[in-house]
Amino acid sequence: EAQVTQNPRYLITVTGKKLTVTCSQNMNHEYMSWYRQDPGLGLRQIYYSMNVEVTDKGDVPEGYKVSRKEKRNFPLILESPSPNQTSLYFCASRLTGAGYNSPLHFGNGTRLTVT
Amino acid sequence: QKEVEQDPGPLSVPEGAIVSLNCTYSNSAFQYFMWYRQYSRKGPELLMYTYSSGNKEDGRFTAQVDKSSKYISLFIRDSQPSDSATYLCAMSANRGSTLGRLYFGRGTQLTVWP
Repeated sequence: EAQVTQNPRYLITVTGKKLTVTCSQNMNHEYMSWYRQDPGLGLRQIYYSMNVEVTDKGDVPEGYKVSRKEKRNFPLILESPSPNQTSLYFCASRLTGAGYNSPLHFGNGTRLTVT
Repeated sequence: QKEVEQDPGPLSVPEGAIVSLNCTYSNSAFQYFMWYRQYSRKGPELLMYTYSSGNKEDGRFTAQVDKSSKYISLFIRDSQPSDSATYLCAMSANRGSTLGRLYFGRGTQLTVWP
């Protein structure tokens, strides 16, 4: 089954404790992206990657790191999490070069709470 | 001012009603417009997309873009309880093959009651 898999689905952590949220897709998509979704603010793009070893900042990259060493994986790293990073996180991927009828495929989200 | 503005609702309508969802935007360079649907506890899924101005119809759904007014709409005819979800508009200034920055509205929460 074609899918984007995020882990973990739920995570509670404390301020300053480094964490990684994994994202993997099995569709051979070049493009991958991370979003956070907050009440009243909607979906905001954190980082995106057009292909392996190519990453760029979205709207809200501060406090996050990403890497794209393999095509299928795009982990999101919080080196020193803070309470304002408490949010619902989505990873997404799509084929490039196929126009906008190639949709973004989203994972089911990771709910992160930083205390 | 946010790049994309969308009334979050909530919107509650009876089954069979015509629903109108709207977004406005400020960046005149946006030329690709999308609507996503998000069910509770799920990631968004693409519903419709349009390029530049005009209308596009897909079954009970019609997407409209008015670039002169920087205004986009999604109409749902004969709404069903299964349409109950959050609807997000999204737009980009990039060409499809180089999609990078994608800007989402806040989403409108829709409930269709039987």
